Amino acid sequence: DAGVTQSPTHLIKTRGQQVTLRCSPKSGHDTVSWYQQALGQGPQFIFQYYEEEERQRGNFPDRFSGHQFPNYSSELNVNALLLGDSALYLCASRDRDNGLVRTQYFGPGTRLLVL
Amino acid sequence: EDQVTQSPEALRLQEGESSSLNCSYTVSGLRGLFWYRQDPGKGPEFLFTLYSAGEEKEKERLKATLTKKESFLHITAPKPEDSATYLCAVQARSGGSNYKLTFGKGTLLTVNP
Repeated sequence: DAGVTQSPTHLIKTRGQQVTLRCSPKSGHDTVSWYQQALGQGPQFIFQYYEEEERQRGNFPDRFSGHQFPNYSSELNVNALLLGDSALYLCASRDRDNGLVRTQYFGPGTRLLVL
Repeated sequence: EDQVTQSPEALRLQEGESSSLNCSYTVSGLRGLFWYRQDPGKGPEFLFTLYSAGEEKEKERLKATLTKKESFLHITAPKPEDSATYLCAVQARSGGSNYKLTFGKGTLLTVNP
């Protein structure tokens, strides 16, 4: 059973560029969340997608946007990259259930370096 | 605002030397508290979910406990392969539905042979 997968694994961009990161959730999961983890810090919530809509958003600017596809996979887009956007970007998925407390399972992450 | 504080920031143990990691939290009602393990450059790996004060869960050398204000991760007779960063996260009740996890900064555990 494949877990959460993310691509690419590493990415180098320059300031001002745009980037798209991709995530496929664990089999049987329909909800995808994105987190940003700076070096030495815990993950910070960016947003969550459910039924192809953004359901909740953290304290991130509009430069961060996302999308969820009918097959539940998701993309994270970041525009006008800043040096401070350099981080490990994590995708997490949770299973189909109406309950509010469900464990989120994380992918391996995409390491983004902005020069 | 929800807050999670983990201590110590780093812990170095000898193989077989038991210890505990602390996670203190401030939330407007707790839906769940989660422990994850993270190896360098990798995504967090799920360990435990705790829902209410008094609850305990165990897995191999790890045992997680929960009170109304904090959680402990007890490590019994650790081995070098237990070396990792241990992350604590909470899911809180705030307003209507709240789905996000709020994480602490983690405790970096090193177990020397």
